[in-house]
Amino acid sequence: NAGVTQTPKFRILKIGQSMTLQCTQDMNHNYMYWYRQDPGMGLKLIYYSVGAGITDKGEVPNGYNVSRSTTEDFPLRLELAAPSQTSVYFCASSSRAPLHFGNGTRLTVT
Amino acid sequence: AQTVTQSQPEMSVQEAETVTLSCTYDTSESDYYLFWYKQPPSRQMILVIRQEAYKQQNATENRFSVNFQKAAKSFSLKISDSQLGDAAMYFCAYRSDRDDKIIFGKGTRLHILP
Repeated sequence: NAGVTQTPKFRILKIGQSMTLQCTQDMNHNYMYWYRQDPGMGLKLIYYSVGAGITDKGEVPNGYNVSRSTTEDFPLRLELAAPSQTSVYFCASSSRAPLHFGNGTRLTVT
Repeated sequence: AQTVTQSQPEMSVQEAETVTLSCTYDTSESDYYLFWYKQPPSRQMILVIRQEAYKQQNATENRFSVNFQKAAKSFSLKISDSQLGDAAMYFCAYRSDRDDKIIFGKGTRLHILP
């Protein structure tokens, strides 16, 4: 049972490049979330989904896009990467209760 | 919109002593969940304890307990018999029962002094 899997673990992007952070879960959870964590800070909600085909904005959605075509997958797309998007990104899933987190992706934009 | 506030950026406690981390939140909802998560240097997020708002009884998990004051919108975490392995960032989190949004406070870094 893998839980929540995020890929890649590390990535360096140049300003203006695009990329997709992958997230998949094998627990059949309806709810999935994307957070970013800046150094020494808490987690900020980017986007979340309550089920396949449904997504909603969180606290800091600008510069990101998501899709939820299946229950298992919830990819996060960065378009036109900016230095302000340098952060650690966490994907998480849940049923009705606590979150199960992936191990995070450390993204640097230079 | 809901907010979660952790007013203590850092705290220190002597090993084997008791420490309390503070969390307050703002919401107009009556049904919700509250959580404390631990993040050690490994960056992994670990659930410490959870509380359903409809439950008056405070949750406990071994050395960890909460003081949930619904009217005051306060949700503090008490760690008893602190151990070196408790050193970490601790985050308070709120889950809305209306839209399932989950938001976090900024965290408290806990140091354990040997």
